[in-house]
Amino acid sequence: KQEVTQIPAALSVPEGENLVLNCSFTDSAIYNLQWFRQDPGKGLTSLLLIQSSQREQTSGRLNASLDKSSGRSTLYIAASQPGDSATYLCAVRDNYGQNFVFGPGTRLSVLP
Amino acid sequence: GAGVSQSPRYKVAKRGQDVALRCDPISGHVSLFWYQQALGQGPEFLTYFQNEAQLDKSGLPSDRFFAERPEGSVSTLKIQRTQQEDSAVYLCASGRVDYNEQFFGPGTRLTVL
Repeated sequence: KQEVTQIPAALSVPEGENLVLNCSFTDSAIYNLQWFRQDPGKGLTSLLLIQSSQREQTSGRLNASLDKSSGRSTLYIAASQPGDSATYLCAVRDNYGQNFVFGPGTRLSVLP
Repeated sequence: GAGVSQSPRYKVAKRGQDVALRCDPISGHVSLFWYQQALGQGPEFLTYFQNEAQLDKSGLPSDRFFAERPEGSVSTLKIQRTQQEDSAVYLCASGRVDYNEQFFGPGTRLTVL
């Protein structure tokens, strides 16, 4: 059974810092991996989707990498801003089903 | 275009009541998923539809949970005889036929007293 973990559980940084969020999964037979952002009381907003054949995806200040063999993905946020404060969730879709398996999330606070 | 919508946004139920949660997916999306998100945790899969067919309901926690999508568009998640442990945010997501990306609604926060 696929299990997804995220480190750290919470992170607080001053504005302007570059930061890395980590995601690990136990079964490397994945179809794709998606990073989401969730604001308090809101649904999930898709940030980046990485197919199993890809190594990384970039969107603006965000860069996500995927190392399938080691079961890891990282989300890099450059020049963080207070508006980046949210919970970041990693989700993996494996080759056996249609649904995503989510990690518990990293709660990020960017201080002005 | 319009995203995934869910109603109600908030629902308070007394223990033992039945509730029905609605999801309107993005028009034309074949896939529809329901997830349950407890406080401080990531969403957990409940069930999956492809058009009107419920292809996977392995995540439904008990036979008190029932989902339907009779015409392949709007879906309803029904919880019978609600219990306090059912309190959570229920998220709906839809996607295109290639299942690559899922688009989430704002969720329904259910509180069972």
